[in-house]
Parts: sequence; structure tokens; C-alpha cells
Amino acid sequence: GESVGLHLPTLSVQEGDNSIINCAYSNSASDYFIWYKQESGKGPQFIIDIRSNMDKRQGQRVTVLLNKTVKHLSLQIAATQPGDSAVYFCAEIPLNSGYSTLTFGKGTMLLVSP
Amino acid sequence: KAGVTQTPRYLIKTRGQQVTLSCSPISGHRSVSWYQQTPGQGLQFLFEYFSETQRNKGNFPGRFSGRQFSNSRSEMNVSTLELGDSALYLCASSPDGINYGYTFGSGTRLTVV
Repeated sequence: GESVGLHLPTLSVQEGDNSIINCAYSNSASDYFIWYKQESGKGPQFIIDIRSNMDKRQGQRVTVLLNKTVKHLSLQIAATQPGDSAVYFCAEIPLNSGYSTLTFGKGTMLLVSP
Repeated sequence: KAGVTQTPRYLIKTRGQQVTLSCSPISGHRSVSWYQQTPGQGLQFLFEYFSETQRNKGNFPGRFSGRQFSNSRSEMNVSTLELGDSALYLCASSPDGINYGYTFGSGTRLTVV
């Protein structure tokens, strides 16, 4: 499949471990944040989102934490599975973009060993 | 429910040529955005259309243009292709581009030789 990025930060975990992927965002005016998963040869797939009036949101096996003070976002994946292996991107939507522009982070590659 | 459909899947063009890429959004979605993905620059916003109007444009040269039709389908065009335009071009759709996240297609892999 196509490479989505060279020299990406890589997180290697064992199957069953919990994974934490971090992201520092740039715009203090950003109001809406989304985590995407991208597998080789595919487009980014929506995982979970959070708005700036929240500091935590949970989904199925995933939790997103938002710390606006230090402009930091994290994605926690519980009981990581080999199918979770992919590149993960955080994206922010600045208020002044009219809510129609996603600014993506560089991405983190997650490798899950069986 | 069909997802976002991008055609063609792969494309090889020569420097100086022009190319048109197509995107069919999810039925009912009126906002369509385009992104360029390269290993060096990551995912970068090109432009966004809503109801046939360009609402936002990224920092790309005028060689990159787009349009949206009344059925919300969108096309993007790149003229006078350069080697650096080789990338994965991704289209994403959203009901309104404001209150909901975007759903991405699988992209068109453009190679300029």
C-alpha cells in the first residue's frame, strides 16, 4: 500500500496493551478536534471527536482527552488489537475557519504485535 | 449507504499536463473538501465547497482549482503539473462542514513523471 508518511513517530505495543497517542495542536482558537485512523491504501477514518467545552469523551475502546491549557490532545485505545495498526492523526478546526477546514497533525504510526 | 467515491483511483501524468479528479460525496452531504497528502507535508487543506460555492481555500497556487455541481459532486483540477504535485488527493464530505466530522474517500494517487 501507499506510504502515508516517512519518519513518523512510531508507537509499538503488544496486543492487549493500552495505547496512548499524543498530539499537540497549534491554534488556541480551535473549537473542535477529531481523531482519524488511516490504514495503508485508504483514506482517514473518523474515530472520535471532542469539542472544546469538554475535556474527555469516551467511545468504544477509545477515549479522547483534551487539555486546552497546554493545547494537548490524546487518544487512548484500550486492549489494543492488531487491527488497530495504522497511522493516527489528530485534526483541529479553528473557529476562524468557519468550521470547514481541518488542520492535521503529522501523525503517529501505531504498530501492534500479536 | 455508499461512502465517498473518488475516481480515478490511480493516475499517471506527465509534467505540464493537466488533470481532473472527481469526488462523489455521501448522499445528502453538501460540503466537500479536498486535501493533498504527501510524505513530507502530511495532509494539507486545498479547498472546501458548500452548495456550489467555495467557502475556504488553502495555501496552494492558482494551478489548483475546484468546483462543485448542483448534486454536490465535486471536481478538482490541477493545471501545468509539476513533479511536486505527486501526492494522494483526498476528498471528504460532511452534511454541512460545521457541526459534523468529515468522511473521507480512499483518494486518488497522482504520479507526475
